[in-house]
Amino acid sequence: QVQLQESGPGLVKPSETLSLTCTVSGGSISSYYWSWIRQPPGKGLEWIGYIYYSGSTNYSPSLKSRVTISVDTSKNQFSLKLSSVTAADTAVYYCAREKYDGYYYMDVWGKGTTVTVSS
Amino acid sequence: SSELTQDPAVSVALGQTVRITCQGDSLRSYYASWYQQKPGQAPVLVIYGKNNRPSGIPDRFSGSSSGNTASLTITGAQAEDEADYYCNSRDSSDNHLGVVFGGGTKLTVL
Repeated sequence: QVQLQESGPGLVKPSETLSLTCTVSGGSISSYYWSWIRQPPGKGLEWIGYIYYSGSTNYSPSLKSRVTISVDTSKNQFSLKLSSVTAADTAVYYCAREKYDGYYYMDVWGKGTTVTVSS
Repeated sequence: SSELTQDPAVSVALGQTVRITCQGDSLRSYYASWYQQKPGQAPVLVIYGKNNRPSGIPDRFSGSSSGNTASLTITGAQAEDEADYYCNSRDSSDNHLGVVFGGGTKLTVL
């Protein structure tokens, strides 16, 4: 079955750029939406943005100025870049597959990776 | 962008029925999906669409929707159902088809 695995630095300095990659295994990246979601410690889920396999993107209005999501179909990976990070960006970051078959739903999630913003 | 509103906490006696609700304007256009999250784990999809359960989700979980409100019902709650539950939906309020999550409901099984 399809599995997602997040990877990237666990510690990022303030004002720098957070970079994460999600590797898709056991299936193709084609024909789905691929999202990044984060969860600050003790808080709820926050959608960051998604990329369609064709490359079109949509970002959360609150993060849009700092977010870039890209896809590499040859590697079955998609990536997140979040610039100018602060302590408020400390969170568990999840990647997820969103399916559309008349309904939209996120049916596969990665285990999540913890990113701490600190000097 | 739209918001989805959930009660922060709900409790249910073991074996009883509990309904968790999610309200928001986006639900007038898009069905909610529901996710269960246990401590230290990634969210798991439990209900999507009109009332669809992924493979492996017990049939005590069901979903419904009316107007701007979506509901997740657990009929005969079990101890292992104690978790945080999140709704989400697509949101077209900003002329972009984004995604919105509810704030989550912590379910306690007594």
